Amino acid sequence: LAKTTQPISMDSYEGQEVNITCSHNNIATNDYITWYQQFPSQGPRFIIQGYKTKVTNEVASLFIPADRKSSTLSLPRVSLSDTAVYYCLVGDIGMGFYGGATNKLIFGTGTLLAVQP
Amino acid sequence: DAGVTQSPTHLIKTRGQQVTLRCSPKSGHDTVSWYQQALGQGPQFIFQYYEEEERQRGNFPDRFSGHQFPNYSSELNVNALLLGDSALYLCASSLQGEPYQETQYFGPGTRLLVL
Repeated sequence: LAKTTQPISMDSYEGQEVNITCSHNNIATNDYITWYQQFPSQGPRFIIQGYKTKVTNEVASLFIPADRKSSTLSLPRVSLSDTAVYYCLVGDIGMGFYGGATNKLIFGTGTLLAVQP
Repeated sequence: DAGVTQSPTHLIKTRGQQVTLRCSPKSGHDTVSWYQQALGQGPQFIFQYYEEEERQRGNFPDRFSGHQFPNYSSELNVNALLLGDSALYLCASSLQGEPYQETQYFGPGTRLLVL
């Protein structure tokens, strides 16, 4: 699985757009890029996943350049409730013994985003 | 539609004791994975259960064992507790055959403190 590198922490103010960049130089052809959000003492929550170019949902956008060696999670107009740790994960779908997906997730240390009023 | 539930929410044990943590997967899910999260670190994969068998295992000693029941719920057992086992233990459920990583749903976790 490709190793990821993210900033340890970031600060922002309410209403601003926040971009968190993740480096994954050794990403493999079959690898997807996935971002999770985690609040203190809660389980991680899926935010967004992509393979190339741009993906957008109701929560965030994910930008992936052509070489796929990095990705940027973009959070529009953050609020205080967006203060959390954000994890970038890179990995392939994976195939279990019986041909099903194994869904094993490898987390790094994540980026602590602190949003101030 | 019930999400992933875990019990207990908090637990205090002493060194050398044994502990059992429980997890009920999201409705419709058949696969349960367990993760350990130490303070300030990302979750670390312990193992995954499907069809009542351990499918994958992370870099954890044999003191960590698990079980999955016919109703897909799961238990994590840790024997001979060490101080370093103090952590948030997370359960995640998914459905086999769903190829994308976003289909992992996490529970709220069990906070274990070993004194």
